[in-house]
Formats: sequence, structure tokens, C-alpha cells
Amino acid sequence: QQQVKQSPQSLIVQKGGISIINCAYENTAFDYFPWYQQFPGKGPALLIAIRPDVSEKKEGRFTISFNKSAKQFSLHIMDSQPGDSATYFCAASRDNYGQNFVFGPGTRLSVLP
Amino acid sequence: KAGVTQTPRYLIKTRGQQVTLSCSPISGHRSVSWYQQTPGQGLQFLFEYFSETQRNKGNFPGRFSGRQFSNSRSEMNVSTLELGDSALYLCASSTGSPWSEQFFGPGTRLTVL
Repeated sequence: QQQVKQSPQSLIVQKGGISIINCAYENTAFDYFPWYQQFPGKGPALLIAIRPDVSEKKEGRFTISFNKSAKQFSLHIMDSQPGDSATYFCAASRDNYGQNFVFGPGTRLSVLP
Repeated sequence: KAGVTQTPRYLIKTRGQQVTLSCSPISGHRSVSWYQQTPGQGLQFLFEYFSETQRNKGNFPGRFSGRQFSNSRSEMNVSTLELGDSALYLCASSTGSPWSEQFFGPGTRLTVL
């Protein structure tokens, strides 16, 4: 019940296209859903995050869509660029438990020029 | 503002040895979390320290321990190393407030031979 599932495992998109990564969770106590971006040799960096009281959040080219009833959330990267090529992790936490994040397995995104 | 620093960046040990990793959080941050990242298991939460107290703990054996000092710097210790402990160990700092952003360090790459 602590798991966060993520798909696809890898994704190849043409420059200018839309990248979509999906995540699903079981634990309804989760109340914070961040997405992290990780480049090789670096630690993950927060990209965008959402709480379950909203269904969508947009920051620049990045949008999170959240479906509370389906217990699913997704990351959309509009106008994907080669510089977006990285591994993306979704995560979930019950923040009254501190900073205990459960991460999805990751999606390796490659944006072709 | 300086980011999260981790030392050493790379470490090679042999089975049965013990190792200590260090993490210096962003100035003003009181929460430090530790994660293990492996290709097979992904990112897994080890523990979180807040104001020198362990506030949360993941599902790792007692060989993995940590502590936090009064200046918020944290150390993680792994005793009786096993081959399966080879991983990237990441620490992340935050203010520790609900939904506060976690900032990750670059990690320490531990190889156990």
C-alpha cells in the first residue's frame, strides 16, 4: 500500500512534442505529490508538486494533472526540449510523517533533436 | 545560498567494513533525510532527522544508522557492509515544515567489493 507505480519506464519524444508520465498510488493518506527531475551524476531536483485539493497545476511547460478518485497523477511536459532529457520520478508523502517520500521507479525521458 | 553538500563523493569498501557518510544541509534547514538509490530498488527512504532527533524511519536493517548534530549536519553509518549496500546515497535537506521543498545533494557513490 506504500507503493507508487510509474509508467512508462522509458519514453522517447521528438523535440516540440508532449511527454506524458503517469503515476498511481494506493495509500489514500498521501497528501503531497511532487515530481523530481534527475540528471546523470546529480541528485533529484524538485520540478513541480501538487496537493490533492487541486486537480491541475501548471508551471511553465510542466503540468501536473491529479485525479483523486482514481488515485492517479501525471506529468505533462509541453514543447519537450533535448535539455529535458533526464529521469523523472513521481513521489508521494503523508506529510504529518515528516519528509518520508515514497518514490516511483522513474521514467527515463529522451527528447530527440 | 550554498546547496546540500555530501562527502565523500565516492567510496570503495570491502564486505564487513563499516562506512560513515556526511551531509551538510542548506543553511537554516533543520531536516535532513537520507535515501538509497539503486537501479533495482530505485529511491528508498532510510530515515529523517529533525533538530537532532530521528523523526521518521524507513524499512532498512539496523546496520543503517544516522545522527544529526546541533548545526544540522548529519552523518549516516553503515556497519558490516554487504555487496547489496552498493548504491548512491543521497541526502536531502528542508526546513522540516509541512510540504516544504526537499533539496537533494549530489550523493555519495558507495561501492562494496
